[in-house]
Amino acid sequence: AAGVIQSPRHLIKEKRETATLKCYPIPRHDTVYWYQQGPGQDPQFLISFYEKMQSDKGSIPDRFSAQQFSDYHSELNMSSLELGDSALYFCASSLGWQRSTSYEQYFGPGTRLTVT
Amino acid sequence: EDQVTQSPEALRLQEGESSSLNCSYTVSGLRGLFWYRQDPGKGPEFLFTLYSAGEEKEKERLKATLTKKESFLHITAPKPEDSATYLCAVQARGGSNYKLTFGKGTLLTVNP
Repeated sequence: AAGVIQSPRHLIKEKRETATLKCYPIPRHDTVYWYQQGPGQDPQFLISFYEKMQSDKGSIPDRFSAQQFSDYHSELNMSSLELGDSALYFCASSLGWQRSTSYEQYFGPGTRLTVT
Repeated sequence: EDQVTQSPEALRLQEGESSSLNCSYTVSGLRGLFWYRQDPGKGPEFLFTLYSAGEEKEKERLKATLTKKESFLHITAPKPEDSATYLCAVQARGGSNYKLTFGKGTLLTVNP
């Protein structure tokens, strides 16, 4: 079965640079979530989109922005990178509430961002 | 604020030695409780969703149960390949909010 695709898998940036992470949800899934997982930490919710509209916002820095496109893929844009942004970034997808009652989120393999 | 506490933080078992992992939660209204398995450097792998107290679900050597305050993940006769971090997460009821709030996980090591 098709899974969530994330690219790139690894990314190395310097401080103050910009990074763009991409997420391709499971086919037919219309909801995308972004999570950040620091070393030894649990995943922390950043932001979510349903049908191309932002549906919820968590602890996402103002330096970060995201959007969902007409084909349901999503991009997380990170600017003015800081050392503390080094983490694993996961995208998850699910069927939206109007099409499902199970609310299950399926995670991608993640993008490992290293800021030097 | 939704809170999830998992215990123990780490658990070492011998192959075949059954045990349980605990997930205690506080949420304004529970929409669902989720169990995931995570291997190092990989994305969480979905295991179960539980929706109401008394519900149970099974998959191979794993069985998840739910009460109004906690969930248990029972591992029967574990094998070394069951070694991973097991994450518990809650999803609160209400509005368009479907985010997951995770616990810090239980690192399970099964020795042969």
